[in-house]
Amino acid sequence: SQQGEEDPQALSIQEGENATMNCSYKTSINNLQWYRQNSGRGLVHLILIRSNEREKHSGRLRVTLDTSKKSSSLLITASRAADTASYFCATDGGLTGGGADGLTFGKGTHLIIQP
Amino acid sequence: KAGVTQTPRYLIKTRGQQVTLSCSPISGHRSVSWYQQTPGQGLQFLFEYFSETQRNKGNFPGRFSGRQFSNSRSEMNVSTLELGDSALYLCASSFLAGGRYEQYFGPGTRLTVT
Repeated sequence: SQQGEEDPQALSIQEGENATMNCSYKTSINNLQWYRQNSGRGLVHLILIRSNEREKHSGRLRVTLDTSKKSSSLLITASRAADTASYFCATDGGLTGGGADGLTFGKGTHLIIQP
Repeated sequence: KAGVTQTPRYLIKTRGQQVTLSCSPISGHRSVSWYQQTPGQGLQFLFEYFSETQRNKGNFPGRFSGRQFSNSRSEMNVSTLELGDSALYLCASSFLAGGRYEQYFGPGTRLTVT
């Protein structure tokens, strides 16, 4: 079953604009991760934020985590055509918590950057 | 460091057959997890192996099995293939077990069942 729910399902913006994707989850977590996937290929790890962190940055990426609302957001600033991909949030809580069920992924946001 | 490799990259099988997929983790990583990705169900956890032991298993039928060797390479096997098994199968390696650490994914094996 899906733990995370990304919103929106699809997003199309112009190159140079910022893109924001949201993720909501259901159970308690130890951490939340974001991954990128280009057209049917493997996933690339972007950033991991632990449950006791509220915000984390990595280059043009900014991730926030609100454990009280069980939600996270991924912001990509100054988007580029190469950012076109699907973005997934993943939690380690799974159904029972504690990392017992591997990573549980949301259905993803498909991001299209128009040149 | 070489990344996670998966073989074969593409596979076409017939219903009722069985298939074995292989995954070689990043050197030094002892955890290997397998995921199935389909358009309808998205990414779903199959199982994780750590130091040759299955650590946990997702909600999949017993037709799906796996193993891990002493060099951390892992294989997954699907017996009696069904059309619904058509999917992208991804393996991921991690230095430590569980979902608390970033995982490094391979390019996947695209399985088509006809």
